[in-house]
Amino acid sequence: DAGVIQSPRHEVTEMGQEVTLRCKLISGHNSLFWYRQTMMRGLELLIYFNNNVPIDDSGMPEDRFSAKMPNASFSTLKIQPSEPRDSAVYFCASSTTGEAFFGQGTRLTVV
Amino acid sequence: AQSVTQPDIHITVSEGASLELRCNYSYGATPYLFWYVQSPGQGLQLLLKYFSGDTLVQGIKGFEAEFKRSQSSFNLRKPSVHWSDAAEYFCAVGAKSGGYQKVTFGTGTKLQVIP
Repeated sequence: DAGVIQSPRHEVTEMGQEVTLRCKLISGHNSLFWYRQTMMRGLELLIYFNNNVPIDDSGMPEDRFSAKMPNASFSTLKIQPSEPRDSAVYFCASSTTGEAFFGQGTRLTVV
Repeated sequence: AQSVTQPDIHITVSEGASLELRCNYSYGATPYLFWYVQSPGQGLQLLLKYFSGDTLVQGIKGFEAEFKRSQSSFNLRKPSVHWSDAAEYFCAVGAKSGGYQKVTFGTGTKLQVIP
């Protein structure tokens, strides 16, 4: 298995634009986590899914952020509209037994 | 709800010296415990994990960690640090939350290795 795959690896966008981050889970994993990492706030859990169902989205910063799992192997995190303070590295991770496997991350820069 | 505390934000050690990174957790029952390492520009890689059984667990790259229930700790150790160990280290706890497995990370400890 190629592991958790995130795309794009880097994204630069202008303030106000819509941004979509993508994540492909490891086959057979049933939990999916989205994290955001910044120097100021460290690693923050945004949302996690179990069996495609959002379980806890209390970490999502505001309504501009939304996440979906259209099927068991794929997830998207959307920011609309984007703001400069959204600049961060976004990680997704998948799990089946509690051990989280991380993707390489998407470095988002909003200018 | 579970939580993780890594009291040391930054640690500097000399190459060849021993290392101990501290981690304390809060959870009502026995949690799953993990240590991850993150090199610059990379994702997080699992070093080791504790689910049950022997409280001293061995991981990759010569790391080990000991689960101490009485102290709610899961400290990471390495007898002799190599320059390539310079990275950020995260302790994490996995526990049931609302019936589902949730992983909570500490704020991380940055390790600097000097010659």
